[in-house]
Amino acid sequence: QKEVEQDPGPLSVPEGAIVSLNCTYSNSAFQYFMWYRQYSRKGPELLMYTYSSGNKEDGRFTAQVDKSSKYISLFIRDSQPSDSATYLCAMGGSGGSNYKLTFGKGTLLTVNP
Amino acid sequence: NAGVMQNPRHLVRRRGQEARLRCSPMKGHSHVYWYRQLPEEGLKFMVYLQKENIIDESGMPKERFSAEFPKEGPSILRIQQVVRGDSAAYFCASSPRVDGGAVGNTIYFGEGSWLTVV
Repeated sequence: QKEVEQDPGPLSVPEGAIVSLNCTYSNSAFQYFMWYRQYSRKGPELLMYTYSSGNKEDGRFTAQVDKSSKYISLFIRDSQPSDSATYLCAMGGSGGSNYKLTFGKGTLLTVNP
Repeated sequence: NAGVMQNPRHLVRRRGQEARLRCSPMKGHSHVYWYRQLPEEGLKFMVYLQKENIIDESGMPKERFSAEFPKEGPSILRIQQVVRGDSAAYFCASSPRVDGGAVGNTIYFGEGSWLTVV
């Protein structure tokens, strides 16, 4: 079983739709959780960072972490064509190497005008 | 992504040649990380360096790969005798510190170097 599982998609939605992305993980030692957005041939850009279970909202984006179920989600409201990108979940803080990030494979999202 | 500078952005090498990828961290950052993104795969940690020190190279292939972060100049990821399987995007990231749980939101990635081995 991989440490982090993420459905690669692709996911295609109409403009304005609510998008739900998620990851599961197996390592209960992970302490912090992130979502990155990566445009084609670009570097990952941090969207959301969460250090504990619960919800965090930033504009149209909401991140949820359920540590008891080892499940994290990213919701995008009122999706826009500019949201079309690959979304990567990442987690870290395991043991003494809290600098080391473990990524999912990424979900390719297309928002159609 | 602004601030972490990687070059070259694109590099083509023939099998058996050497590839050198460079990374200048964001201003004020003294911790550098290299990640590799193989086709259809997520980013994988390779190595963590501070100035003149390799802190964790647990993700580095045992042969042909090396990394350094000298006192002066950029961090270098060096791949000797490249093979087709080395074709990937190599990302550098930097952070100002690694203490506690806050490190996750202080790591910034560069735009990547795309290596193609022909």
